[in-house]
Amino acid sequence: KQEVTQIPAALSVPEGENLVLNCSFTDSAIYNLQWFRQDPGKGLTSLLLIQSSQREQTSGRLNASLDKSSGRSTLYIAASQPGDSATYLCAVRPSNYGQNFVFGPGTRLSVLP
Amino acid sequence: GAGVSQTPSNKVTEKGKYVELRCDPISGHTALYWYRQSLGQGPEFLIYFQGTGAADDSGLPNDRFFAVRPEGSVSTLKIQRTERGDSAVYLCASSAEGNSPLHFGNGTRLTVT
Repeated sequence: KQEVTQIPAALSVPEGENLVLNCSFTDSAIYNLQWFRQDPGKGLTSLLLIQSSQREQTSGRLNASLDKSSGRSTLYIAASQPGDSATYLCAVRPSNYGQNFVFGPGTRLSVLP
Repeated sequence: GAGVSQTPSNKVTEKGKYVELRCDPISGHTALYWYRQSLGQGPEFLIYFQGTGAADDSGLPNDRFFAVRPEGSVSTLKIQRTERGDSAVYLCASSAEGNSPLHFGNGTRLTVT
């Protein structure tokens, strides 16, 4: 059974810092991995989707990498801003069973002005 | 519509009552997912539709939960004899065919008193 973990559970940084969020998954048989952002009381907003054949994806100040063989993904946020404060979740879509995405518990990020 | 729409945004019901939660996916998206999220946790998979059929309902916790998507667009999640433990945010997501990103609605916050 696929399990997804995220470290750290919470992170607080001063504005302007670069930071890395980590996501680990137990089964490397995946179609893709997706990073989301969730603001309090809201649904999830898709940030980046990495297919299993890709190593990284970039969007603006965000860069996500994928090392499928080791079961890891990182989300790099450059020059963090207070508006980046949110919970960041990763999810993997297994390729060997089921059709659903399996989510990690999230990392709660606070960027202090 | 422009995004995934869920109604109602909030629902308070008494223990033992029946509730229906509605999801309008993005137009043209064939895949539709229901997830449940408790405070501080990642979304937990409930059921996945491909078109009108439930392709994977392995996440439904028991037979009090049922979902339909009769015309391959709008979906309704139905919960019978609600229990206090059913209190959570119920999230709906849709995606186009293939390995496309998931797009979430803002969820329905269900409170069972």
